[in-house]
Amino acid sequence: AQSVTQLDSQVPVFEEAPVELRCNYSSSVSVYLFWYVQYPNQGLQLLLKYLSGSTLVKGINGFEAEFNKSQTSFHLRKPSVHISDTAEYFCAVSASNSGYSTLTFGKGTMLLVSP
Amino acid sequence: DVKVTQSSRYLVKRTGEKVFLECVQDMDHENMFWYRQDPGLGLRLIYFSYDVKMKEKGDIPEGYSVSREKKERFSLILESASTNQTSMYLCASSPPISGKETQYFGPGTRLLVL
Repeated sequence: AQSVTQLDSQVPVFEEAPVELRCNYSSSVSVYLFWYVQYPNQGLQLLLKYLSGSTLVKGINGFEAEFNKSQTSFHLRKPSVHISDTAEYFCAVSASNSGYSTLTFGKGTMLLVSP
Repeated sequence: DVKVTQSSRYLVKRTGEKVFLECVQDMDHENMFWYRQDPGLGLRLIYFSYDVKMKEKGDIPEGYSVSREKKERFSLILESASTNQTSMYLCASSPPISGKETQYFGPGTRLLVL
């Protein structure tokens, strides 16, 4: 079975500071990894995903993530955050379920950006 | 622009009522999902469907059922609502599953059961 651990439930940062949101996963098979973002009162939308190839993945809004197989991590980074990045961020791993793949989500990290 | 819509943003129901949550997608996706989202617990999969009239249980199916009569529509049914089903419910859809697909989410329905 797959699982995802997001190590921080909340990350407060000041505007224009860099940020890293941590994600560790466990899986017995090859994985596909995702980061989704949820802005207040909205559904989730995809930030980026790792399927194969380069371990550094670039996403929307200046975010990037690095897949590290040896450390089973997929941390999300942004060099300079904006107030508008305030949102909840979810890491997810694609899992097989009776021949069908589903997403297993972490519990989320709330990013709070203040002026 | 892809779109997943949910019939209500907010819903208030009484204990014991039968509740229908509707989800419609316009992307001709084969797969549809229902999640519930609770603070500190993230998203948990209730049911999913990979084809019309097909369904599979997710991680927390107890107390719920689903219906998929048409490809674009996936309904979540609470046969007899209970207070512990107060939650945010999110619907999503995706192309056929190989594990690589992006899931597209609706805005969510916040359900309060009194």
